[in-house]
Amino acid sequence: NAGVTQTPKFQVLKTGQSMTLQCAQDMNHNSMYWYRQDPGMGLRLIYYSASEGTTDKGEVPNGYNVSRLNKREFSLRLESAAPSQTSVYFCASSEGEGLAEYTQYFGPGTRLTVL
Amino acid sequence: DQQVKQNSPSLSVQEGRISILNCDYTNSMFDYFLWYKKYPAEGPTFLISISSIKDKNEDGRFTVFLNKSAKHLSLHIVPSQPGDSAVYFCAASKYNFNKFYFGSGTKLNVKP
Repeated sequence: NAGVTQTPKFQVLKTGQSMTLQCAQDMNHNSMYWYRQDPGMGLRLIYYSASEGTTDKGEVPNGYNVSRLNKREFSLRLESAAPSQTSVYFCASSEGEGLAEYTQYFGPGTRLTVL
Repeated sequence: DQQVKQNSPSLSVQEGRISILNCDYTNSMFDYFLWYKKYPAEGPTFLISISSIKDKNEDGRFTVFLNKSAKHLSLHIVPSQPGDSAVYFCAASKYNFNKFYFGSGTKLNVKP
């Protein structure tokens, strides 16, 4: 049981390049999330998927797109990377039903640098 | 404008003593609160939660207190252990449990 996995762990991009961050969970969770963590800012929600087939914007969605490929996988795409998107990206999942089940389980993160 | 604030970036405590980590929020509609712990190069892990209908929740060495009138919550760790050294984030949600707002974190150092 791997929990939440993210690939890649590290990535360096040039301004204007595109890339997709991959996330998968094996806990049969309904909800999945993408966050970014910047120094002094804590974690900020980019997008989330409350259930398979749905996605919604979080606090900071500009410059990103997401795809909930199936119940297990939720990807984050940067179409044209900018230096302001340099950050650590975390994927998370939760069961998504019932008050106690909204606890989120996080992956190890992807450290992205945009030059 | 951050809706959840952790004003102490760091805290240092002696092993065996109490650690108190604080969190303030601005939105009175928040009704569910979580604390997460994060080690370097790992994702955050869930520690303890509290809903707005309670003012205290305990789990072993960890207790969270909620003061709704002051819009303040705190995490108490008693006794503190060196393995508790990590960054602690508080998070809050209002009705939509898919949208949590996180504080900037407090780095706790427990000295042996």
